[in-house]
Amino acid sequence: DAGITQSPRYKITETGRQVTLMCHQTWSHSYMFWYRQDLGHGLRLIYYSAAADITDKGEVPDGYVVSRSKTENFPLTLESATRSQTSVYFCAIGGTDYREQFFGPGTRLTVL
Amino acid sequence: KNEVEQSPQNLTAQEGEFITINCSYSVGISALHWLQQHPGGGIVSLFMLSSGKKKHGRLIATINIQEKHSSLHITASHPRDSAVYICARGATNKLIFGTGTLLAVQP
Repeated sequence: DAGITQSPRYKITETGRQVTLMCHQTWSHSYMFWYRQDLGHGLRLIYYSAAADITDKGEVPDGYVVSRSKTENFPLTLESATRSQTSVYFCAIGGTDYREQFFGPGTRLTVL
Repeated sequence: KNEVEQSPQNLTAQEGEFITINCSYSVGISALHWLQQHPGGGIVSLFMLSSGKKKHGRLIATINIQEKHSSLHITASHPRDSAVYICARGATNKLIFGTGTLLAVQP
């Protein structure tokens, strides 16, 4: 659904480089989430945000940084990329407790 | 042990078969979510339920709160149903996901 977009969709980078993945929503949902999806692990929460300027760690936050200065944007930064961060990254909105969660199309990141 | 367990992990069916995917969770929940992910594709929410049963087309989701168990049924399965089906339990401010069930429906 076009209400949530991610960029880039594909990214190849090298170990040690900084990479920023962007997530943008047009629906003004309070909650936004970043997940990584790896074979055998399913979806794992990296960080989430309840509102602008409010962020919290998820299950696997190490090596990642987030910010949310505006409600509609939730960038995820890998400060010094490692091969273990090769994954598919999904941004999502909504979806706490009784609310449906809507996912972006994903970003496939390869760290060489 | 994952808080949300799905079975089977992999399932192959013939077109037209009735399919059941199971999900068990270990703690009380607010809501149980079922999601679908097609190969190479995005993730779509199918159902969110906290009691009883919900139906959408050929898909039916049920939940038994006392037994901490939910099932996703697909009637008259079709090759386009081939996907990964993921269940997730609602937790404060987030969802906890199972590892998914890979379904392949052969013509």
